[in-house]
Amino acid sequence: DSGVTQTPKHLITATGQRVTLRCSPRSGDLSVYWYQQSLDQGLQFLIQYYNGEERAKGNILERFSAQQFPDLHSELNLSSLELGDSALYFCASSVGGRGTLNEQFFGPGTRLTVL
Amino acid sequence: GNSVTQMEGPVTLSEEAFLTINCTYTATGYPSLFWYVQYPGEGLQLLLKATKADDKGSNKGFEATYRKETTSFHLEKGSVQVSDSAVYFCALRANSGYSTLTFGKGTMLLVSP
Repeated sequence: DSGVTQTPKHLITATGQRVTLRCSPRSGDLSVYWYQQSLDQGLQFLIQYYNGEERAKGNILERFSAQQFPDLHSELNLSSLELGDSALYFCASSVGGRGTLNEQFFGPGTRLTVL
Repeated sequence: GNSVTQMEGPVTLSEEAFLTINCTYTATGYPSLFWYVQYPGEGLQLLLKATKADDKGSNKGFEATYRKETTSFHLEKGSVQVSDSAVYFCALRANSGYSTLTFGKGTMLLVSP
């Protein structure tokens, strides 16, 4: 158990819908990362937050957004869902946002299925 | 930009066989290198890491050496077990700024008794 929790574990929804994925980092970690894992694209970095502020952006679609709240949990919002958004979404956390404090610990993931 | 290339799987071995999973990278500067493992139905776990050239990371019998001259970080284990069956990901992280992980596509390892 990494100490990173993600809810829900599974999510099944329809095209065009909107969903919210939630992540709670390890106690003491200030940085949260979101990754998408799909069969065709592999594991891709989406976005990073550090202490409530966005710090890095990867291959995140405009239909997707995220935020980190004052209690440091994070939410990833996916809207206007398409079949191709079906994937496993991982959250990771680290103590810091840079350098040697940047070791990332991964949650168990949320499996999103869009029908 | 940064990229990681790993050998495609699945790699199928018998128990006690020798394992090598190749990983090469492209990056500016001197990144840190990692191997992560993903067991079925679980998230990624850090297996080992190396932060500078010629460093050797090791854990649970797995080893990988950071080779700057060949830009490689191949994963090896002398004698695999059935419990090692999983997907292995090579990754790099730039050592400056708010850096994030760039992953390879993963290599599935299947070990039979």
